[in-house]
Amino acid sequence: DTAVSQTPKYLVTQMGNDKSIKCEQNLGHDTMYWYKQDSKKFLKIMFSYNNKELIINETVPNRFSPKSPDKAHLNLHINSLELGDSAVYFCASTSRGLDGYTFGSGTRLTVV
Amino acid sequence: SQKIEQNSEALNIQEGKTATLTCNYTNYSPAYLQWYRQDPGRGPVFLLLIRENEKEKRKERLKVTFDTTLKQSLFHITASQPADSATYLCALDIGGYQKVTFGTGTKLQVIP
Repeated sequence: DTAVSQTPKYLVTQMGNDKSIKCEQNLGHDTMYWYKQDSKKFLKIMFSYNNKELIINETVPNRFSPKSPDKAHLNLHINSLELGDSAVYFCASTSRGLDGYTFGSGTRLTVV
Repeated sequence: SQKIEQNSEALNIQEGKTATLTCNYTNYSPAYLQWYRQDPGRGPVFLLLIRENEKEKRKERLKVTFDTTLKQSLFHITASQPADSATYLCALDIGGYQKVTFGTGTKLQVIP
């Protein structure tokens, strides 16, 4: 059983399109995150939800909209995709933070 | 704002030696500091967490130290093996509810 699963694994799309990435965790964790890892491998936090409530919203363009239908799912919708959105997006979850974060395997988004 | 610095250069060591990776931060000491391993094309994997009141933490061949005076954590892998080759990331709370940010990572190559 995959603890944190993301779909799709790869996503190639044209500029201006709208796309979604889905994330599900079966660990019973209360907090979920979206991170973006750019070409320089820097992992940057984007959003965090705790029990379906948005608690962290970094300076991310409002073209990015997270949605958490329940505490096991956190989806990311991106409108009007731009070339600079190309990156690997990671979903992660944690219970109290003290047990570390569990990451998904990532979604490699390429905007052409 | 809190900055995290890890050796951006790759670290090459001979198999069997001890690898030592450094993580420095600039501002206030976090409540805890974490270390992760990331392999190419995969998400980061949690290794160890050390709290601010702990000097050292061990897990099998891994050892982490935390010096809040120096604002530094050291990550040691003893008796290193080629399978230890990966990028190692430190992560710490930069303020706010479970808001963990990551360093840029150090790429470790263990040469047989």
